[in-house]
Amino acid sequence: EVQLVESGGGLVQPGGSLRLSCAASGFTFSSYWMSWVRQAPGKGLEWVANIKQDGSEKYYVDSVKGRFTISRDNAKNSLYLQMNSLRAEDTAVYYCASSIYLSDGMDVWGQGTTVTVSS
Amino acid sequence: SYVLTQPPSVSVAPGKTARITCGGNNIGSKSVHWYQQKPGQAPVLVIYYDSDRPSGIPERFSGSNSGNTATLTISRVEAGDEADYYCQVWDSSSDHQVFGGGTKLTVL
Repeated sequence: EVQLVESGGGLVQPGGSLRLSCAASGFTFSSYWMSWVRQAPGKGLEWVANIKQDGSEKYYVDSVKGRFTISRDNAKNSLYLQMNSLRAEDTAVYYCASSIYLSDGMDVWGQGTTVTVSS
Repeated sequence: SYVLTQPPSVSVAPGKTARITCGGNNIGSKSVHWYQQKPGQAPVLVIYYDSDRPSGIPERFSGSNSGNTATLTISRVEAGDEADYYCQVWDSSSDHQVFGGGTKLTVL
């Protein structure tokens, strides 16, 4: 079964850090672009970052540049999002998603992990 | 940065046709993807590359894209189609994925 499973969410204070993970199974992880997409409570989807199959290209939404880092370990079939200097506005459900090409639709999504930034 | 504009809500009676639009500057030159999201669930890709359907998506779902508007059409709407729908493109000029604001489809 093709599956993405996120983990690592939780409650963190403003200015703190958190590392999200996304474990892939059932498909050739190293052949896919991977993305992080978030959804604030009651709001729409917002793309956060994506990374090329070999990790050589990474792109970020402007609001997280310099604070978040996307990475992957193809040997472990895993995607990561290191989040530093967290703000209240980063509070959201974070989804990982996959696509073959950058211009493709994201055809597999995880169930999401919740990040809450609050004092 | 590139902006995609969707109506906040669309309402339709069961059995009728729903059309959800996604507006963007010359969006016809881009590849548009559509997602369905039901409450508490992850998004599901329902249309990719303007008009292609992933396996398992009913033929009632179709898409088109021309000029400044892309459209998701749902024929013979069912109660189970009630959900939020999002359009999405890759904007190569900014290297950003872009989502529309989403449209809540209500089945009357």
